[in-house]
Amino acid sequence: DTGVSQNPRHKITKRGQNVTFRCDPISEHNRLYWYRQTLGQGPEFLTYFQNEAQLEKSRLLSDRFSAERPKGSFSTLEIQRTEQGDSAMYLCASSRNQGTATGELFFGEGSRLTVL
Amino acid sequence: SQQGEEDPQALSIQEGENATMNCSYKTSINNLQWYRQNSGRGLVHLILIRSNEREKHSGRLRVTLDTSKKSSSLLITASRAADTASYFCATGETGANSKLTFGKGITLSVRP
Repeated sequence: DTGVSQNPRHKITKRGQNVTFRCDPISEHNRLYWYRQTLGQGPEFLTYFQNEAQLEKSRLLSDRFSAERPKGSFSTLEIQRTEQGDSAMYLCASSRNQGTATGELFFGEGSRLTVL
Repeated sequence: SQQGEEDPQALSIQEGENATMNCSYKTSINNLQWYRQNSGRGLVHLILIRSNEREKHSGRLRVTLDTSKKSSSLLITASRAADTASYFCATGETGANSKLTFGKGITLSVRP
């Protein structure tokens, strides 16, 4: 499968625990995005990388959230001290460099987080 | 924050009918894209229209863009039950450093 892969697909955790999600983008894509989606809403931008550089972070990304893309390939999104409000679907997407414009995004199936 | 606003929020039609979905946005854009999402799944790209284009076709899909009104429409012709999904418009804003901003989506139900 050469699509975007996300793991785990589902995560149930207790409030206060840390969780980490992994995203493996399409191999030739140099841009990688994280979005969060709650029920009945559209995806909300969290952060994006061009190669290993994190170029933009949303105000939604509090200091409990950290994302990395150490070698410009896979990425991890860690949430520390989870809160019930963190319950959502975390979506990863990748794309080819399109200059300053954003081209087609290829999404993974998402990682659904439930914080009890 | 979400830039696009889709209209209607929900649409129910009979198989074979056409479905028209609208999107309005607020800022200057490089392009506008439409995505589809089946329940509990990731999003799938449908079509991209650039700010200097007015209309684009792809199979049963037709998208229009009116930058003076900051609006777009997606038309799905001869709908099928398999078209049942949520549809989102997303804007690539000018100077927005290469991210897409999504609307809240439209839920389309196609009755067999």
